[in-house]
Amino acid sequence: DSGVTQTPKHLITATGQRVTLRCSPRSGDLSVYWYQQSLDQGLQFLIQYYNGEERAKGNILERFSAQQFPDLHSELNLSSLELGDSALYFCASSPAGTSTRLQFFGPGTRLTVL
Amino acid sequence: EDKVVQSPLSLVVHEGDTVTLNCSYEVTNFRSLLWYKQEKKAPTFLFMLTSSGIEKKSGRLSSILDKKELFSILNITATQTGDSAVYLCAVLMNRDDKIIFGKGTRLHILP
Repeated sequence: DSGVTQTPKHLITATGQRVTLRCSPRSGDLSVYWYQQSLDQGLQFLIQYYNGEERAKGNILERFSAQQFPDLHSELNLSSLELGDSALYFCASSPAGTSTRLQFFGPGTRLTVL
Repeated sequence: EDKVVQSPLSLVVHEGDTVTLNCSYEVTNFRSLLWYKQEKKAPTFLFMLTSSGIEKKSGRLSSILDKKELFSILNITATQTGDSAVYLCAVLMNRDDKIIFGKGTRLHILP
């Protein structure tokens, strides 16, 4: 158990809908990263937040957005969902004040878009 | 375009064998290379390599980075069935904190 929690575990929804994925980092970690893992694309970095502010952006679609709240939990919002958005979405957190950026992954949320 | 390429894509060996997994990269602003093990769920961290030629070791696993040739290898000796997993290589960029993962090597250890 990495100490990172993600909810929900599974999510099934229809095309065109919007969903919110939630992540709670390890206690004391200020950075939160979001990843998308699909069979054909592998693990793709989406976005990083550090202490409430966006820090780095990867291959995140405009239909997706994220934020990190004052209590450091983060939410990833996916809108106008398409079939191709079906994937496993991971959140990871990293310790504050380290230069190694060691990341601890949560168990993931499996999103299925029908 | 920044990329991380892992090989082989898949590997099946017998318990007790030694395996070598490869990761090559072409990125701007390289900072570190990371190895993860992914079993059924979330990836778990194995190694972070920043300096060339320094071997990192943890039990039967070891890894080394060659920054001149732009690759890293992950060795697993005396493999066990519990080593069966997907092994992911990732490169952390220096300038903008981006991280790029390879597609992984699926390792299956036969008893």
